[in-house]
Amino acid sequence: DAKTTQPNSMESNEEEPVHLPCNHSTISGTDYIHWYRQLPSQGPEYVIHGLTSNVNNRMASLAIAEDRKSSTLILHRATLRDAAVYYCILKRGSTLGRLYFGRGTQLTVWP
Amino acid sequence: GAGVSQSPSNKVTEKGKDVELRCDPISGHTALYWYRQSLGQGLEFLIYFQGNSAPDKSGLPSDRFSAERTGGSVSTLTIQRTQQEDSAVYLCASSLALGTRDEKLFFGSGTQLSVL
Repeated sequence: DAKTTQPNSMESNEEEPVHLPCNHSTISGTDYIHWYRQLPSQGPEYVIHGLTSNVNNRMASLAIAEDRKSSTLILHRATLRDAAVYYCILKRGSTLGRLYFGRGTQLTVWP
Repeated sequence: GAGVSQSPSNKVTEKGKDVELRCDPISGHTALYWYRQSLGQGLEFLIYFQGNSAPDKSGLPSDRFSAERTGGSVSTLTIQRTQQEDSAVYLCASSLALGTRDEKLFFGSGTQLSVL
């Protein structure tokens, strides 16, 4: 399984930006970087994904380092609803269908 | 339906009994996945289906676990002779197709299984 490294936990205040880091030093050239999040008592939900270029959608932005060995999920203005576990995952062609979720980062948002 | 539906949402059973967990994927999604999540842990991959076939069963923890999918739609995960260590949330996900690195998974809310 393609492994990623994330901090166990992070905290933010409401309406402030949040930068969630992820290291993936063993990434290969064709691996996509995916982010999911899991709200309490729910299944994970897709957040964003990218390959080489930075990506934006209505939920977040994904900044990918030039060497692709790390990435950062950016929540531009955290809300209480963003409190969740965030998972950074490498989507590897050789293991399609099997995603390694790891322990993720528990994000706490304070009002 | 609008999303992935799993039933039951909660299941309490006695050690040694068999249980069946059901997953209804999003209409039109050909790929279906089963994961489980023990308390405070990350997700553990169990099995995936492309259509009705399961190319990779290596994630199933023991031969007490089996899964099938019929008609390219509903899937059932069966656990025989349940043990206390089987207690976990069992999550199902589906996606439009398997085989692309940018495919998105859509998860259900899971079945909380408690083995007494």
